[in-house]
Amino acid sequence: DTGVSQNPRHKITKRGQNVTFRCDPISEHNRLYWYRQTLGQGPEFLTYFQNEAQLEKSRLLSDRFSAERPKGSFSTLEIQRTEQGDSAMYLCASSLIGHHGELFFGEGSRLTVL
Amino acid sequence: KNQVEQSPQSLIILEGKNCTLQCNYTVSPFSNLRWYKQDTGRGPVSLTIMTFSENTKSNGRYTATLDADTKQSSLHITASQLSDSASYICVVSARRDAGNMLTFGGGTRLMVKP
Repeated sequence: DTGVSQNPRHKITKRGQNVTFRCDPISEHNRLYWYRQTLGQGPEFLTYFQNEAQLEKSRLLSDRFSAERPKGSFSTLEIQRTEQGDSAMYLCASSLIGHHGELFFGEGSRLTVL
Repeated sequence: KNQVEQSPQSLIILEGKNCTLQCNYTVSPFSNLRWYKQDTGRGPVSLTIMTFSENTKSNGRYTATLDADTKQSSLHITASQLSDSASYICVVSARRDAGNMLTFGGGTRLMVKP
């Protein structure tokens, strides 16, 4: 197991386009999280899944954002009608229930909206 | 409101010197506190995780302390190396019925110069 995998690592798009990011968590991890991080700031929580159920969503997750984890394994984060303010690093993390909830992060997907 | 404040915001030190990063939190009910290292453009990597009963924990040249009474933590880096240049993020977990809630600090950006 190579850890949490995210792709694409970098995405440049024009304003108004849709983008989708994928996250493959560590295989036995049942929790999966999405965070957004802008330059010089700590990660901001977007949403998390326990298995296939989306248990919590942040107010940051506007109606242009949608996340899925259809089979309780990989997850996708889609942003529709992108805006320049969506430019950020999108981090995925996974964890096991218990184990102090320690998060293992992926390398992130950097989005640039022109 | 749960908050995590880190200081300093940024720090420059010479290679071989020691430094200490601070984290103050107002998170309740406290579950655990973690320190992460994040290299530029990469995902955060866990350094230490501390529960309520732990005062000190070391990981190589990194030593974290926790004072649950004053709600303060520190990360001490000994004999710094160029590779220590990164952001260091303090994350505090609050216990909830629905699963722990994580609050991230803004990070301290450390630069180690030769």
